[in-house]
Amino acid sequence: SQKIEQNSEALNIQEGKTATLTCNYTNYSPAYLQWYRQDPGRGPVFLLLIRENEKEKRKERLKVTFDTTLKQSLFHITASQPADSATYLCARPLSGNTPLVFGKGTRLSVIA
Amino acid sequence: DAGVTQSPTHLIKTRGQQVTLRCSPKSGHDTVSWYQQALGQGPQFIFQYYEEEERQRGNFPDRFSGHQFPNYSSELNVNALLLGDSALYLCASSPGQHRRYGYTFGSGTRLTVV
Repeated sequence: SQKIEQNSEALNIQEGKTATLTCNYTNYSPAYLQWYRQDPGRGPVFLLLIRENEKEKRKERLKVTFDTTLKQSLFHITASQPADSATYLCARPLSGNTPLVFGKGTRLSVIA
Repeated sequence: DAGVTQSPTHLIKTRGQQVTLRCSPKSGHDTVSWYQQALGQGPQFIFQYYEEEERQRGNFPDRFSGHQFPNYSSELNVNALLLGDSALYLCASSPGQHRRYGYTFGSGTRLTVV
C-alpha cells in the first residue's frame, strides 16, 4: 500500500526562524504531493500542491520541495510567527490522481 | 461563497446505535471524500463519492456506508457503533474526481460513542 510518513510529531522553533517539516513516502512516486494546515478542532486547510516534475514551489513565506530520488518532500516556513503554530499534514494520492491519503502530521509550535 | 458544510457539529451516541452524518460540498465541487480522524492522528480515508457512486474505499468495515445525492451532497452512515468509532469525521470536496486540486474540508463532526 502507498504510505506517507511525517517523521516528527512535534517541532518547536523560535519566532523569526525557518521551520522545516519532512514528509517521506513509499513505493512509487506520486504524481503530486499536497500540504495542509490544521488548527485544533478544525478541518485541514489546503496550502500547496507540488507536481512530480516540479522541484520547488513557493507561496508567500511557504516553500515546498519534491525529491523523487529521496522520496521526500520538505515544507519550509520562513520568518515564522506564533500564528504559524498548527499541525501541518502532508498528503499524496492513493492511486492515480485521487483520493488523498494523509500523514499523521507535524505539530509546529513557534515560540515568541 | 460557502465552503463545505457538515452537520451536526457534535454528536454523542451509545454503543450499538447507528449514526448519519451530512455534508454539503463547496459550490462547484462534485466529488466528496470522507475521512475519520482520531485524536493525534492524520485523517484516514473512508471512501469517495463521484456521480452518486462510491468510487474508492479505504480500509473500513461495511458498517461504514455512504450516499451521494444528485445535488452532490453526501451522507456517511455508521451502523453498530463501537467505542473505537469515536473520532472527528471530516468531509472534503473537490472539483472532479481525477483532477489535481486541493481538497476543501469542512470543520467536521465530532462523534463520541459511550
